Amino acid sequence: NAGVTQTPKFQVLKTGQSMTLQCAQDMNHNSMYWYRQDPGMGLRLIYYSASEGTTDKGEVPNGYNVSRLNKREFSLRLESAAPSQTSVYFCASMLWGDYGYTFGSGTRLTVV
Amino acid sequence: GDSVTQMEGPVTLSEEAFLTINCTYTATGYPSLFWYVQYPGEGLQLLLKATKADDKGSNKGFEATYRKETTSFHLEKGSVQVSDSAVYFCALSDRAGGSQGNLIFGKGTKLSVKP
Repeated sequence: NAGVTQTPKFQVLKTGQSMTLQCAQDMNHNSMYWYRQDPGMGLRLIYYSASEGTTDKGEVPNGYNVSRLNKREFSLRLESAAPSQTSVYFCASMLWGDYGYTFGSGTRLTVV
Repeated sequence: GDSVTQMEGPVTLSEEAFLTINCTYTATGYPSLFWYVQYPGEGLQLLLKATKADDKGSNKGFEATYRKETTSFHLEKGSVQVSDSAVYFCALSDRAGGSQGNLIFGKGTKLSVKP
C-alpha cells in the first residue's frame, strides 16, 4: 500500500520552463489537493479536486494549472516557472467523511 | 474566513520535559480539528484529531482537547523524547460552502528536543 506517491522528488528549472508534478494515490480517496510549503508561511492550498472531474482554486492558484486525470491521479503544471515558485510541493488525498489527509513526501522545486 | 493561529517556535526542550503547543482557531461553523507532524525531509502525518467539542484526540502520548468555549486545541505531551523533534501543524477542516473538508493549516511550530 503505497499511499500518496509524488514524482519527481527534486527538480531544478530555469525561469520560463514548464513542468508537471505528478501525484497518485491508491487508497480510493475522493478528494485530492496540492499545497506549497514555504518557510514561515505554513502550507498554502494551490488547487484541489473534491471529486473526479472537478477542480477548484485554492488560496494561491496563480501560475499553476491542474488536471484530475482520474480518481487516482492529480497533476500540477507550471506553464512558465518563476523564482517565486521555488518551494516544496505536497500532494494530499482524503476519503470523504474522514476529514484526515494523507500526504505525499513532497517535491522540492527550485527555479533559477 | 476561517483561520488557525499557533504559537511561534522554535521550541527547545530537554528530554522528558512537558510539552504544550498552543493552537487557537476562528471558524464560522463547527470544524474538526487536527494536529499533524512533519519530520525532517518528510510529508505531514496525521497525529491526532477531534471532530466535536470536548473530544480529546490522543496518539503516541500526545493529547489535545477540543475546547469550543476558548476556541482552542492545544497539543500536550507529558514527557518528550528526542524522536519527537519535528514541526507540528494545527489545522481545521473547512466544511463551509459545501466543501468536502479542505484543511486550513497554522504556520507550524518547530520542536527540538535535546538529550
